[in-house]
Formats: sequence, structure tokens, C-alpha cells
Amino acid sequence: SQTIHQWPATLVQPVGSPLSLECTVEGTSNPNLYWYRQAAGRGLQLLFYSVGIGQISSEVPQNLSASRPQDRQFILSSKKLLLSDSGFYLCAWSVRGASSYNSPLHFGNGTRLTVT
Amino acid sequence: GESVGLHLPTLSVQEGDNSIINCAYSNSASDYFIWYKQESGKGPQFIIDIRSNMDKRQGQRVTVLLNKTVKHLSLQIAATQPGDSAVYFCAVSDGGSQGNLIFGKGTKLSVKP
Repeated sequence: SQTIHQWPATLVQPVGSPLSLECTVEGTSNPNLYWYRQAAGRGLQLLFYSVGIGQISSEVPQNLSASRPQDRQFILSSKKLLLSDSGFYLCAWSVRGASSYNSPLHFGNGTRLTVT
Repeated sequence: GESVGLHLPTLSVQEGDNSIINCAYSNSASDYFIWYKQESGKGPQFIIDIRSNMDKRQGQRVTVLLNKTVKHLSLQIAATQPGDSAVYFCAVSDGGSQGNLIFGKGTKLSVKP
């Protein structure tokens, strides 16, 4: 069965420090990969998605970047964190492409980031 | 643009009763719909999905109903249990070629013992 791992679970970082959140997926090949941010009382906001190694699409301009160095690895980064980067970050995967039907996203357990 | 909304931000039910959580969407091109359950401190968990060629789908103790005419989606939980307490939210496809999802803000379900 497929599993998705995100780490760390919680993180407290000072303003201006770098960030690296990692996500890996097991049990599937060539997945679509996603980074979402969830703010309290608001819906999930798509930050980045990737359909393959080195292929990253950004949905919103921001202080963050994403990379996909391997098929099942997705990394969210920042060179200098802002206070507004605090939030709950979720990685997700889905079956890639094909068919006229979409497939559900499967989420990791998230990283709670607090920028102080 | 699309909007995905929930009729009630909170829902409190008695253990054993049935729960109904609703979701409205605005894009008539949306063709794929998902319900998620999110417990505190965890990521969303897939519950059930339905495609636009269906109007009802059943799972274990859950049923999703889709009314494309009024763009309404509901999740019914039978015999609600304390373990069902969580935030539930719907996700709706944006109708684009990428198949991106738009998520509702969620309804918090509380089950009273």
C-alpha cells in the first residue's frame, strides 16, 4: 500500500532563517505531488504541484519554493522565512494523469511551522 | 471563479444519530467530488469520492449525494460515533485539464456521547 511521510511534524524557526520540509511517498511510481498550506478557518491553499522530476508549477507568488529531486521526493524550501509563512503545511500525492476521471489526493500528516 | 462553501461551520449530533454535512459549489464544469475527514493535528483523510456521472455513492457508514442541478453535495454518516468527531470538508475539481481541486473550509462535527 501507498504511504506518504512528512517531516518534521512541528518546527519553530526565527524570521530570516531558511526552511526545508521534506515529503516522500512509498508504494507508487510517478505520482503527482503537491504542497498545500492550511490556515485556521480557511480552505487548503495549493502552493506547488509537480507532475514529474524537476517539473514544478507554482500556484501563488510567495517566499517559498519547491523542488522534486527524485520521483517520490518533494521538498518545500525558503531562503528567508517571514512571519507570514507560519502555518500548517501539507504534502499530498495522487495518481498521475490518464483517464477522464481525477483521482483523490492523499495527504501526509503535515508540518506545523511557527516563525518567531 | 469557483467557490466552495459549507452551509454550517459546526454540527453537533448525538451518538447513534445520523449526520449530514453539506457543500455547495458554483462551477458547472466540476466533475469530481471528494469528502475528507481531518482530525486535530493530522492531515486530511480521504473518505469517499463521486464523479459527475453518478448521483449517489455508498461506503461503510457513509453516503455521498450529488445534485448537479443545484450544485450541491452532501455527506451522510450513519450511526455517528465519537470517533467521527473531526472537521469534514469537501473538495471539488475546478473543471480544468490539470484536475486541480478546490477545498471547502470545513464543518466541525462534534458527537455527544
